[in-house]
Amino acid sequence: QKEVEQDPGPLSVPEGAIVSLNCTYSNSAFQYFMWYRQYSRKGPELLMYTYSSGNKEDGRFTAQVDKSSKYISLFIRDSQPSDSATYLCAGTLKTSYDKVIFGPGTSLSVIP
Amino acid sequence: SAVISQKPSRDICQRGTSLTIQCQVDSQVTMMFWYRQQPGQSLTLIATANQGSEATYESGFVIDKFPISRPNLTFSTLTVSNMSPEDSSIYLCSVGDGTDTQYFGPGTRLTVL
Repeated sequence: QKEVEQDPGPLSVPEGAIVSLNCTYSNSAFQYFMWYRQYSRKGPELLMYTYSSGNKEDGRFTAQVDKSSKYISLFIRDSQPSDSATYLCAGTLKTSYDKVIFGPGTSLSVIP
Repeated sequence: SAVISQKPSRDICQRGTSLTIQCQVDSQVTMMFWYRQQPGQSLTLIATANQGSEATYESGFVIDKFPISRPNLTFSTLTVSNMSPEDSSIYLCSVGDGTDTQYFGPGTRLTVL
């Protein structure tokens, strides 16, 4: 079992829709969770970062973490064509360094 | 966040040759990381590079194949040695900023023929 799992998609939604991206993890030792956005032929860009259960909001983006069920979500409100990208969820293990384990990513297309 | 650049941005190489990828950061950072992202897959950590010490390699990656240098707090190189087509991938460096997150460079897209 992979430590972080995501539905790879592709997910296609109309502009303005609410997008829900989901992720599950198996390692209870994860302490921090991130969502990265990766445009085609670019490096991943940090979107959201959280370390506790609950919701964290930043503009149109809301990250939700449920540690009891090992479930992570990213919601995008009023989705835009510029949101079309691959979204990677990740968890951080606190070892001698911060080891980040990435999920495989979900490909999102927002259709105008 | 730090600004990270990588050279080259892409390259096409012949089997059996080696390629050195450079990663430059605009500020001093303690932790630098090298990742591989194979086509259609997520990021896999190759190694962690700290200035002044040997790189720490993840399971499945060895120094002979992926030697890393970290001569100072703003620069690192990753060499992909004796390349085969299976090494075709995007190679990314990232830096930690001390807040448990990482920031990534634009990547180097390598194709091995």
